[in-house]
Amino acid sequence: AQRVTQPEKLLSVFKGAPVELKCNYSYSGSPELFWYVQYSRQRLQLLLRHISRESIKGFTADLNKGETSFHLKKPFAQEEDSAMYYCALPVYGGATNKLIFGTGTLLAVQP
Amino acid sequence: EAGVAQSPRYKIIEKRQSVAFWCNPISGHATLYWYQQILGQGPKLLIQFQNNGVVDDSQLPKDRFSAERLKGVDSTLKIQPAKLEDSAVYLCASSSSPDPTDTQYFGPGTRLTVL
Repeated sequence: AQRVTQPEKLLSVFKGAPVELKCNYSYSGSPELFWYVQYSRQRLQLLLRHISRESIKGFTADLNKGETSFHLKKPFAQEEDSAMYYCALPVYGGATNKLIFGTGTLLAVQP
Repeated sequence: EAGVAQSPRYKIIEKRQSVAFWCNPISGHATLYWYQQILGQGPKLLIQFQNNGVVDDSQLPKDRFSAERLKGVDSTLKIQPAKLEDSAVYLCASSSSPDPTDTQYFGPGTRLTVL
């Protein structure tokens, strides 16, 4: 079955500490993965996609096909990074092509 | 550009009552999505429209939920009758194409509480 797993509901770190938000996937094929973010009182929005290999707001994510993971990393956390982060996997199935979201991880960056 | 608009932002109803949510997507976006997000879970797709046609409604509980996008722009999602387990945030999103790798732009959501 195609699914996305985010094992941590909450990740609390201190400002300046490294951050790693975990995402594991199950997909038969070559996946494309995304990270969406929701800051407090804001809309859910795209943070980054693995295919572009970009760094957004200091965050990067590398697709590891061997470990079926797409962890989101940042070397030095900032208080403004506090938000809900969702890993998402596009799935294709005939007429049904859709984005599957993980359950999300709340990142809390303490001062 | 203006973002995805949704109304109302909050709604409280009693079980067995009816409720409707409205969404206006980003201008020019042919693809519109309705998601249900239950507390502690990620968004789950309920229905996807391409223009005014339904692409995927496999996860929509059709005995009580209905949705339409008559003119290919605005969309309405209705629940009739509501159950306690329908309490959730209902998110509308739009994108320029039905490819799930295309960026989806989300509205602020409607928080529904069923008592």
